[in-house]
Amino acid sequence: EPEVTQTPSHQVTQMGQEVILRCVPISNHLYFYWYRQILGQKVEFLVSFYNNEISEKSEIFDDQFSVERPDGSNFTLKIRSTKLEDSAMYFCASSDPRGNQPQHFGDGTRLSIL
Amino acid sequence: AQSVTQLDSQVPVFEEAPVELRCNYSSSVSVYLFWYVQYPNQGLQLLLKYLSGSTLVESINGFEAEFNKSQTSFHLRKPSVHISDTAEYFCAVSGTSGTYKYIFGTGTRLKVLA
Repeated sequence: EPEVTQTPSHQVTQMGQEVILRCVPISNHLYFYWYRQILGQKVEFLVSFYNNEISEKSEIFDDQFSVERPDGSNFTLKIRSTKLEDSAMYFCASSDPRGNQPQHFGDGTRLSIL
Repeated sequence: AQSVTQLDSQVPVFEEAPVELRCNYSSSVSVYLFWYVQYPNQGLQLLLKYLSGSTLVESINGFEAEFNKSQTSFHLRKPSVHISDTAEYFCAVSGTSGTYKYIFGTGTRLKVLA
């Protein structure tokens, strides 16, 4: 069964540095999402992306965050200047062109900010 | 806006006993409902979905959930649990139009005891 893949599995970064989290969604999917889960807390929606543009973003997704689909396969989340509170597990998800189908999640990237 | 409540943060249960994990939601619009399971160091895997039709939905590994619109609930049940069911279970809701972003509950950690 096709999978969503995320790299790296663990990223350790100094506060203030830029970080890029990478995702390869399932190939025929058209809806893409990023979520994050701070340790011990719920999974929170960050941003959705459709038709090469952001379709919705949460209040968490401020100017430090950006997303990009640089080619036909990758979907990236960039945090421009990381803060300690950005430490979390970041999940990428995608769903097929019908949109209302369940989202498929990657295994996540654990981001640790020092 | 939508919200999801999973009142039980942890549920211990003996092997072969039945279990119910509770999920209640709040929404001013029609919703889709989902249960996802997360095993340690893995991503979120779809367990069940309710999109429309029969209010009782079943998974291939013996779980079922029933959509109850009047009680705004989508409780997850299994008549006989196995050690391998030990995991964290997340209930999620999305709207039936727009970005289909998920709103998650806080999760329930199911621990099956021998």
